[in-house]
This record gives sequence, C-alpha cells and structure tokens, in this order.
Amino acid sequence: KQEVTQIPAALSVPEGENLVLNCSFTDSAIYNLQWFRQDPGKGLTSLLLIQSSQREQTSGRLNASLDKSSGRSTLYIAASQPGDSATYLCAVPVLSNTGKLIFGQGTTLQVKP
Amino acid sequence: GAGVSQSPSNKVTEKGKDVELRCDPISGHTALYWYRQRLGQGLEFLIYFQGNSAPDKSGLPSDRFSAERTGESVSTLTIQRTQQEDSAVYLCASSWGGALSTEAFFGQGTRLTVV
Repeated sequence: KQEVTQIPAALSVPEGENLVLNCSFTDSAIYNLQWFRQDPGKGLTSLLLIQSSQREQTSGRLNASLDKSSGRSTLYIAASQPGDSATYLCAVPVLSNTGKLIFGQGTTLQVKP
Repeated sequence: GAGVSQSPSNKVTEKGKDVELRCDPISGHTALYWYRQRLGQGLEFLIYFQGNSAPDKSGLPSDRFSAERTGESVSTLTIQRTQQEDSAVYLCASSWGGALSTEAFFGQGTRLTVV
C-alpha cells in the first residue's frame, strides 16, 4: 500500500531564503508526482506535475525533482516571499486505472517579512 | 469553464438534515473525483467518476453518502442524515481522461459544518 510522507510538517523562514520541501513515498512504482499549494480555507492549486520519466520540472521560482529509486521528491522554492506562505502537498496516483491520488500530510510554510 | 467550480462555498446544516454539494468540472474533463479534508487532517478519497459511471466508490464512508454525475459534467455529492463527524471541507477535482499521467485540478471546496 502506497504511503506518502512529508517532512517537516511546518517550516518558518525569513523572506528571501531558498528552501526545500521533502516528500517521500513507499512504493517507487509511480506514474507521476504532483505538488499542490493550499491556502488556508481554500482548495488546492496545482503547482507542478512531474512524470516518472522526468528528473525535474520547473515553474518560475519553483523546481521539483523526482528520484523514483529512492522514493523521494523535493520542491525547491527560490528567494521565498511572504506570499509563498501556505501548505504544500505532494500526491501520487495509486496504481489502478482510476487516477485517484494519495496525499502526504503537507508542509505548512510561513515566510516572514 | 476556466476551472473547477464548487457550490456552495460554505454550508451550515443541522444534524440529521440532508445536504447536496455540487461540482462543475473543467469542460472536457472526463474524470471527476471527490475528496474530504477534515480539520487538520489530510485529504481522503471518496469517489471517482469516469464519464457518468463511478468505477471506484471505495472511499465513501457510509451508505449515508452518495454521488452522481450527469451529462459527463456536473456532479452532486449527497450526504443524508448528516452527523457532526461529517464536518469537513469537501473538494472536487477533475482531470482529462483520468489516466495515471494527467494533472488533477481542484475546486475551492465546500466547507460543511454540521451543528
């Protein structure tokens, strides 16, 4: 059974710092991994989808890497800003034909001005 | 539409009442999912639709929960005889094809409070 873990659960950094969020999964046979952002009381915003054949994906100040063999993904945020404060979730689809996602518990990020 | 739309955004109901939550997926997305997020907890899968069929209902917590989808578009999640433990944010997502390699897009959720 696939399990997804995110460490740390919470992170507080000063503005401008580069930071890394971690996501690990127990079954390395994944098709893709998706990173989401969730603001308090809001839904999820898709940030990056990285396919199993890819090593990394970039969007603006965000870079996601994927190492299937070790069961890990990282989300790198460059030059953090207070507007980056949110909960970041990673998710992988279960190995069935449904595409339903298994989520980590999230990392809550606070970027202080 | 431009994104996944859910209504209402907030719903307060009395214990024992029935509620209906609505989801309008992105146009053309054949796969639709419902998830639940209890306060301070992770997302739990509820049900998956491919077209108007629901091949995976394994996450529905009890027979008080049901869902349907019509016109390969809008979906309604119904909770009968609501209980306080049903209080949560209910999130809908859609994706093209529902295949393993496609990106899922989420709505803003419906916050349900059972009093």
